[in-house]
Amino acid sequence: AQSVAQPEDQVNVAEGNPLTVKCTYSVSGNPYLFWYVQYPNRGLQFLLKYITGDNLVKGSYGFEAEFNKSQTSFHLKKPSALVSDSALYFCAVREGSARQLTFGSGTQLTVLP
Amino acid sequence: DAGVIQSPRHEVTEMGQEVTLRCKPISGHDYLFWYRQTMMRGLELLIYFNNNVPIDDSGMPEDRFSAKMPNASFSTLKIQPSEPRDSAVYFCASGQRQGTEAFFGQGTRLTVV
Repeated sequence: AQSVAQPEDQVNVAEGNPLTVKCTYSVSGNPYLFWYVQYPNRGLQFLLKYITGDNLVKGSYGFEAEFNKSQTSFHLKKPSALVSDSALYFCAVREGSARQLTFGSGTQLTVLP
Repeated sequence: DAGVIQSPRHEVTEMGQEVTLRCKPISGHDYLFWYRQTMMRGLELLIYFNNNVPIDDSGMPEDRFSAKMPNASFSTLKIQPSEPRDSAVYFCASGQRQGTEAFFGQGTRLTVV
């Protein structure tokens, strides 16, 4: 079975500071890992993914994430946060042979001006 | 491409009524997913299709829920009879066989009173 944990319900950061949103996963095979963002009253928007290769993946809007196999983590990062980054962020995992994504519980990011 | 299109965006209905949610996936996508989002349970996969065939419906909560995909460009999720605990945002998503991420629609916010 595949599962994802986002240990923080809420993350607050000042504008211009770096941000990190944490995610750990559990799969029995090779993981495919994803980050999505959800703005109020909107659907989920794909940000980035890790399939294989370089452990640091870059995505939309200046976000990046680092895959760490030994720690089974896939934390989302951005060097300098913007107020417009405030949203709900979801980590998701898919085991290589599966087709469906399993989502974490979400982390509400608030960037303070 | 217009993306995944869901209708209606909002639905308010009385308990006991039949509700039908609609989805048009992205053209050329082989997979279609129905998710439900609530505060209590987060994002849950209800059912997914591959080439119009239901593959996994283990997430469908009860027999009151049914989903169909009569062709590659249309799917429905039906609740009959509806209950207040069905109130949630229902998302449709589609994906390609060769690709890995799913693309989400804007969702349908269902309120059962």
